[in-house]
Amino acid sequence: DTGVSQNPRHKITKRGQNVTFRCDPISEHNRLYWYRQTLGQGPEFLTYFQNEAQLEKSRLLSDRFSAERPKGSFSTLEIQRTEQGDSAMYLCASSLVGVTEAFFGQGTRLTVV
Amino acid sequence: KQEVTQIPAALSVPEGENLVLNCSFTDSAIYNLQWFRQDPGKGLTSLLLIQSSQREQTSGRLNASLDKSSGRSTLYIAASQPGDSATYLCAGNSGGYQKVTFGTGTKLQVIP
Repeated sequence: DTGVSQNPRHKITKRGQNVTFRCDPISEHNRLYWYRQTLGQGPEFLTYFQNEAQLEKSRLLSDRFSAERPKGSFSTLEIQRTEQGDSAMYLCASSLVGVTEAFFGQGTRLTVV
Repeated sequence: KQEVTQIPAALSVPEGENLVLNCSFTDSAIYNLQWFRQDPGKGLTSLLLIQSSQREQTSGRLNASLDKSSGRSTLYIAASQPGDSATYLCAGNSGGYQKVTFGTGTKLQVIP
């Protein structure tokens, strides 16, 4: 296990379609975070899990967004009825509880046309 | 609410120069301050993490300082190289990565 893995790396979709991204954290990490980064901005927190429990969601996470981590390992982020404003880089990070440093994946770049 | 500002937004320097990137934050009650590197279209690579009780951290040609009282952190890069070209982000952590606030970054170009 060499780090946090995100798939796909790039996704182009038509407005109105649903998309799903996957994040595989570092295997022993029990916390998993999702962020969104738009062009020229820093990442913004979306949501995070401790094991399979989703502990917090940002106001940025509208009703069209849903995230799961069913077995406390990998996580998925789904966006329904995509809009052009959803175009961004979606980053995943993982960490251990009580350890201060999180490790980031390479991100999934979403383009909604 | 924590706000993190990075100045300058972009910087172009000739190879070999020493340079300083600045980061300021509004809430001094941070848990730690972290500097990241981001290459175009890629994720974040952690460079240095300074705990709130520390004043600085060093790794190779990089040195990061933290002054909580003034709400400032600096990243010093010595003897810059073209491979240092990237966007550098600082992030203030107010207690867990669900409470991290990122700056908008400084885009660095090192010219050979």
